[in-house]
Amino acid sequence: LAKTTQPISMDSYEGQEVNITCSHNNIATNDYITWYQQFPSQGPRFIIQGYKTKVTNEVASLFIPADRKSSTLSLPRVSLSDTAVYYCLVGRLTGGSYIPTFGRGTSLIVHP
Amino acid sequence: NAGVMQNPRHLVRRRGQEARLRCSPMKGHSHVYWYRQLPEEGLKFMVYLQKENIIDESGMPKERFSAEFPKEGPSILRIQQVVRGDSAAYFCASSPRDRGTGEQYFGPGTRLTVT
Repeated sequence: LAKTTQPISMDSYEGQEVNITCSHNNIATNDYITWYQQFPSQGPRFIIQGYKTKVTNEVASLFIPADRKSSTLSLPRVSLSDTAVYYCLVGRLTGGSYIPTFGRGTSLIVHP
Repeated sequence: NAGVMQNPRHLVRRRGQEARLRCSPMKGHSHVYWYRQLPEEGLKFMVYLQKENIIDESGMPKERFSAEFPKEGPSILRIQQVVRGDSAAYFCASSPRDRGTGEQYFGPGTRLTVT
């Protein structure tokens, strides 16, 4: 299974852009990269997913270089409510099924 | 469309008792995943099920733990003879049949405390 490495914690201020980078050096050809957000005492919430290059949705952007050994989640203009743990996942596809592997996550604290 | 439902939200068991955790996936979802999260740690995959089938149980302890997803009714994660080390939050997630790429919808979790 591909292992992910991300910073344990990050601090930011309201209105700033936050970039969280995740390393996954041994990512396999059929692995997707997915990011989740988790608030205390809640289940994770899907943010964004990609395979290569750049993906953007209404919440975030995901940048994946050509070698796919890392990825960067970009959160534009964060607010206090973005304070949460962010998980980078690399999952394998087996027979059409996706088995994700969660890392330790990055605890993001947004300050006023 | 109701989200993923889990019950109970909190469960207290004494050592040696059985714990049964239930998960009702989102309507139309036939894929269910179970995860365990220890305090201050990430989620650990336990088992992946489709209706009446266990697809991948590589993350499940070999003893005392079992899971099922019957044709009718919720998915059940069963822990027999619980020990204090089983205390954790257990999350269930579901995904639609036609999405094999990993977008999962999580329930609120069941917090199991073993005394």
